[in-house]
Amino acid sequence: EPEVTQTPSHQVTQMGQEVILRCVPISNHLYFYWYRQILGQKVEFLVSFYNNEISEKSEIFDDQFSVERPDGSNFTLKIRSTKLEDSAMYFCASGEEFTNEKLFFGSGTQLSVL
Amino acid sequence: GENVEQHPSTLSVQEGDSAVIKCTYSDSASNYFPWYKQELGKRPQLIIDIRSNVGEKKDQRIAVTLNKTAKHFSLHITETQPEDSAVYFCAARGGGGADGLTFGKGTHLIIQP
Repeated sequence: EPEVTQTPSHQVTQMGQEVILRCVPISNHLYFYWYRQILGQKVEFLVSFYNNEISEKSEIFDDQFSVERPDGSNFTLKIRSTKLEDSAMYFCASGEEFTNEKLFFGSGTQLSVL
Repeated sequence: GENVEQHPSTLSVQEGDSAVIKCTYSDSASNYFPWYKQELGKRPQLIIDIRSNVGEKKDQRIAVTLNKTAKHFSLHITETQPEDSAVYFCAARGGGGADGLTFGKGTHLIIQP
C-alpha cells in the first residue's frame, strides 16, 4: 500500500539554525499538508498546498515557515531561525482529490531544537 | 475558526466492554469528521470518517455517529481488545478539499485485561 514518506526521522538543530523537512506524498495525490504535534499534545494544522500554492495556513505558520514543491515528488517545509518552541513532531500528509477527503499521514520528523 | 473539544482525555475499559469517545465542534460549515488512532511514537492512522450528510457509519467493531444539529460526533468501539489501546483523535474540516483538519486533544484509551 502506498505511503507518505518523510525524511529525516529525527533532526537535531541549534537554536537559530534553518532546517528543511522533506516529504514524498503518495504519487497520485493532489493535496499536501504539514501538521505538527508537540509532545503529549494534539495534532495542529500548519499549512495546506494545492496546485503549487498555499491554500490555507494557520496562525502558527508565520514568516518563519515556508513550503515548496521543488519537483514532481517532493514537498518540503523550511523553518528559518528555529526556536526552542519549534521542537515537535512534524507530520506531512497528502490527500487524493477534492471528492476524497481522506488524509494519509507520514511517519513524521521529530525536530529537536537545542 | 473551528474549535473541537474531545472527552474524556483518558478512558479505561475492561477488555470486551464498549468504549465511547465524544467530540463537539463549533463551525456549522464543517462537513467532514475523521477519527484517527495513534499508537505511541507512530503516525496518526485514519480508522473511520463520516460526512455531514450521513448520521451514522459502521465498520466492524467501530462506529461513528454525527448529530449536526447539536454539532457533536462520537466514536464507538465495541468488544474492545488490547490492541485497541492507543490515543484517539477526532477532527473536523470545513468546506473545500484543501482545508486543514482541526483536531481534538485526544483520548488515551486503555484496555484493561
